[in-house]
Amino acid sequence: QSVLTQPPSVSGAPGQRVTISCTGSNTNIGAGYDVHWYQQLPGTAPKLLIYGNNNRPSGVPDRFSGSKSGTSASLAITGLQAEDEADYYCQSYDSGLSWVFGGGTKLTVL
Amino acid sequence: QVQLQESGPGLVKPSETLSLTCAVSGYSISSGYYWGWIRQPPGKGLEWIGSIYHSGSTYYNPSLKSRVTISLDTSKNQFSLKLSSVTAADTAVYYCARSRGHSYGFDYWGQGTLVTVSS
Repeated sequence: QSVLTQPPSVSGAPGQRVTISCTGSNTNIGAGYDVHWYQQLPGTAPKLLIYGNNNRPSGVPDRFSGSKSGTSASLAITGLQAEDEADYYCQSYDSGLSWVFGGGTKLTVL
Repeated sequence: QVQLQESGPGLVKPSETLSLTCAVSGYSISSGYYWGWIRQPPGKGLEWIGSIYHSGSTYYNPSLKSRVTISLDTSKNQFSLKLSSVTAADTAVYYCARSRGHSYGFDYWGQGTLVTVSS
């Protein structure tokens, strides 16, 4: 059971918008700690997609965006493409546990 | 360009100690940042193992703290992970990664190395 809760799977058709939620608690996201998002393509290492809730590292398309409110955060992907099919993980800091990850969400592009 | 590369035995016997090294190029580990280890059991999610600050301060996952040691070797620009008393549950791909701090995430990752615990 992960400290941060994500839906196991989401799906969408090419061109659509999908969102992935990440629910925490008052000891992590709700305590004001930032949320980060990673994309993991099959057989590869995770790649930082969003840091500090809503910031994109250089090279990440603006189709990817993040938001945070209360004890939850969300990753939104617009203009869905086949290459976006991957596993997505949220990550934050927890006052009792240090760095924590969500359980991951598998995105399927229909 | 910052690069991280994990190395170590791919097979460890139960009850023994897992030892991995992460060689860093393109950045001096003594200059800054946190240097961390994250693992991923086959078909499962990511688990943070621990991190070490460039000053040498260490931070460990409470669930693994009694078995984990992370250290720096600035002369070789690398850092290491030791996990003692391993069991089959420690079988995973082990990644090393860099973070500026808990407000920035892990921005550079190694490719990962699979460690299997089996007799």
